Amino acid sequence: DVKVTQSSRYLVKRTGEKVFLECVQDMDHENMFWYRQDPGLGLRLIYFSYDVKMKEKGDIPEGYSVSREKKERFSLILESASTNQTSMYLCASSLWGEMDEQYFGPGTRLTVT
Amino acid sequence: TQLLEQSPQFLSIQEGENLTVYCNSSSVFSSLQWYRQEPGEGPVLLVTVVTGGEVKKLKRLTFQFGDARKDSSLHITAAQPGDTGLYLCAGRGGGSNYKLTFGKGTLLTVNP
Repeated sequence: DVKVTQSSRYLVKRTGEKVFLECVQDMDHENMFWYRQDPGLGLRLIYFSYDVKMKEKGDIPEGYSVSREKKERFSLILESASTNQTSMYLCASSLWGEMDEQYFGPGTRLTVT
Repeated sequence: TQLLEQSPQFLSIQEGENLTVYCNSSSVFSSLQWYRQEPGEGPVLLVTVVTGGEVKKLKRLTFQFGDARKDSSLHITAAQPGDTGLYLCAGRGGGSNYKLTFGKGTLLTVNP
């Protein structure tokens, strides 16, 4: 059974803290993604990675960075958390094909106070 | 920037009713996917459509891809409480095989 796991389901951090969100997939997928999901705004792509050490900005990369040192692991970093980064963060992975689905983790609900 | 507009945003119906959710764009997509997301979980793929005019059925769910590959619909027959969830359409286009553009979703509640 394919699986994408995220390090925390709920996280509460203070403004200015450095925050790490970890994502691991066990499907040997090349592509990994970080989204944030907000009511009324849907899923918005923050960053994605198509190979180890390779990354590209998504639609809303400001205030975020990523790291992919191993194929199975993709980390999202908030260098200095702000209250407007309070959100649900979803990680996903996929293969390259047109028909290939994105497999999502359960999400991390981050609250920045 | 490609955009996908979903309607309606919210839908609350009684068990046994039929419903249709729409996903529209001014852009052409090479393929379109529908996902369902339940509370506290990530989205899960329901179907992928790739050919203009394509119709796919998944039990009580019928998915259609528009002839021009700019729009899609999801029709549910005889809705059940287990159909409750957030339905998301997502399109691939612009030469990208990896990036999905998501609609904002339709939150469906089916009351017993």
